[in-house]
Amino acid sequence: ILNVEQSPQSLHVQEGDSTNFTCSFPSSNFYALHWYRWETAKSPEALFVMTLNGDEKKKGRISATLNTKEGYSYLYIKGSQPEDSATYLCAFKYAAGNKLTFGGGTRVLVKP
Amino acid sequence: GAGVSQSPRYKVTKRGQDVALRCDPISGHVSLYWYRQALGQGPEFLTYFNYEAQQDKSGLPNDRFSAERPEGSISTLTIQRTEQRDSAMYRCASSLVAGGPTGELFFGEGSRLTVL
Repeated sequence: ILNVEQSPQSLHVQEGDSTNFTCSFPSSNFYALHWYRWETAKSPEALFVMTLNGDEKKKGRISATLNTKEGYSYLYIKGSQPEDSATYLCAFKYAAGNKLTFGGGTRVLVKP
Repeated sequence: GAGVSQSPRYKVTKRGQDVALRCDPISGHVSLYWYRQALGQGPEFLTYFNYEAQQDKSGLPNDRFSAERPEGSISTLTIQRTEQRDSAMYRCASSLVAGGPTGELFFGEGSRLTVL
């Protein structure tokens, strides 16, 4: 059983503040780590796919880092805006061709 | 099509009835995944296909659940003798590549199943 844990489960952020949250995954047999953004009543959409230890990815005000040796990834939101309110899901793949296992998500609410 | 299409979007059925949920992936996408998602939770893996071959069905809860993708394109998830605990959002996703690390998933809008 693969355990992909995300913390915290939810957080409230004041508009303009920066925030970050964590995805933890098994550090052995790592293959890829995905981040998805999921707005209520919509479908999850891919943000990043990360494969190498030390990877950093950035899309606008959102960025992610990856530590495969210790089994965690951080997602950062800089200068949060109300439109950043969503659930952020990470998903782990441990071998080529294997399934993508999702964590429970971190629900972010940005208050104006 | 332009995106992953799922039908029906909403299905209400009585306990004991069979239901079939359909997924039409993005044209040319090799991998097709089925997930189940409870309200406020992350997607729970059910099964996935590369082309027409079912690669992993370890997430199917029991033998009432089955899936097929006979021609490597459209897939059907079938739930026999539905129970109230089967009520959930069923999401399909497809990926261009099979097995590669960079195969991001493109999700459909889901089929909301309610079993009365």
